Amino acid sequence: DTGVSQNPRHKITKRGQNVTFRCDPISEHNRLYWYRQTLGQGPEFLTYFQNEAQLEKSRLLSDRFSAERPKGSFSTLEIQRTEQGDSAMYLCASSLGDHPQHFGDGTRLSIL
Amino acid sequence: QQPVQSPQAVILREGEDAVINCSSSKALYSVHWYRQKHGEAPVFLMILLKGGEQKGHDKISASFNEKKQQSSLYLTASQLSYSGTYFCGTALTGYALNFGKGTSLLVTP
Repeated sequence: DTGVSQNPRHKITKRGQNVTFRCDPISEHNRLYWYRQTLGQGPEFLTYFQNEAQLEKSRLLSDRFSAERPKGSFSTLEIQRTEQGDSAMYLCASSLGDHPQHFGDGTRLSIL
Repeated sequence: QQPVQSPQAVILREGEDAVINCSSSKALYSVHWYRQKHGEAPVFLMILLKGGEQKGHDKISASFNEKKQQSSLYLTASQLSYSGTYFCGTALTGYALNFGKGTSLLVTP
């Protein structure tokens, strides 16, 4: 069990640029989740996949946010035309069905 | 949908006990407790499903009152390593967790 891996750990970009984050879940986990966490707050649910199917995406923050999990393994979260308010920690978690979600260390996004 | 946690912050001396509460206005499928240290990922502590079952390991336990939609996390004989921010995550269905704002716990020598 190598844990949930996220890359990059830090991303600094200029406003208006597109960014993409990668998440590699625990290998036997079929569910993958994306959360956003801002300072002083708990994680905020964005979307989740069961295998390759994205079963909930209504809570993505805007149409600038999109996620994929093409082969049911790793996932990517893309933010287009980044804004200052997108600065946050983006966390990925995975689980085996309804079992507990295990989080990665996150990608910290800073918008200049 | 965000659960309400109390207290917001607690300072303990090593060996003292603490209780952290989490309440929801909606019927819950499950409650998940996590601890997060600064700059690190949230670490899973325990999950409670409908049924009021109390779970625990070592000196950390939790309960879930389904009638009141409230959960409590009990930390006994606290250790320095217990310091961090504790979050409850509530699930209305089987997947999305709604997290509270967290309870900051500091254990001092």
